[in-house]
Amino acid sequence: EAGVVQSPRYKIIEKKQPVAFWCNPISGHNTLYWYRQNLGQGPELLIRYENEEAVDDSQLPKDRFSAERLKGVDSTLKIQPAELGDSAVYLCASSPRYSGSSTDTQYFGPGTRLTVL
Amino acid sequence: GNSVTQMEGPVTLSEEAFLTINCTYTATGYPSLFWYVQYPGEGLQLLLKATKADDKGSNKGFEATYRKETTSFHLEKGSVQVSDSAVYFCALLNQAGTALIFGKGTTLSVSS
Repeated sequence: EAGVVQSPRYKIIEKKQPVAFWCNPISGHNTLYWYRQNLGQGPELLIRYENEEAVDDSQLPKDRFSAERLKGVDSTLKIQPAELGDSAVYLCASSPRYSGSSTDTQYFGPGTRLTVL
Repeated sequence: GNSVTQMEGPVTLSEEAFLTINCTYTATGYPSLFWYVQYPGEGLQLLLKATKADDKGSNKGFEATYRKETTSFHLEKGSVQVSDSAVYFCALLNQAGTALIFGKGTTLSVSS
């Protein structure tokens, strides 16, 4: 079974430029998450999707960040414009259909390492 | 609110040494607890999990027991290998299953 796929793996941009990250979850997984991992820290949730609906985007900085999951499968996270403080690893994760239970396991992709100069 | 606290690293061990990485949590209700591992240049991989008090998760020689009375989920391995060198993250999933909260991670370095 293929895991969570993310691209690109690395991205270097100048500040104020836009950037986009793509994620394809494990087949059949309805729930998709985007996390940000700053250097030396654990991942922090940005947004959670149930199918195509963003059910929790409370931690997403909406002034510059946006995300979409139009067909309830793959997803794109965008930053426009990027700032120096956005340098981090952006992780995508997926889990099977949300059961409302704390037993759901999340499976992570390899991440995209963003460097903003 | 929910939070996870891990022992700070780096932890440096010789091959075949005993490993303990401490993890304590604060949560409302009954969260599930996880250990994830991140090898150099790779993404997070689930190492083990426990979903209720007194459960023991185990995988690849690693073990952790969900201790509700001490709100802990310490990771242990009896004999570490060089290939275990990685960053280890303790995490909890809140009772509603909507938020995975991570600790800051502990770097383990094993030398031969």
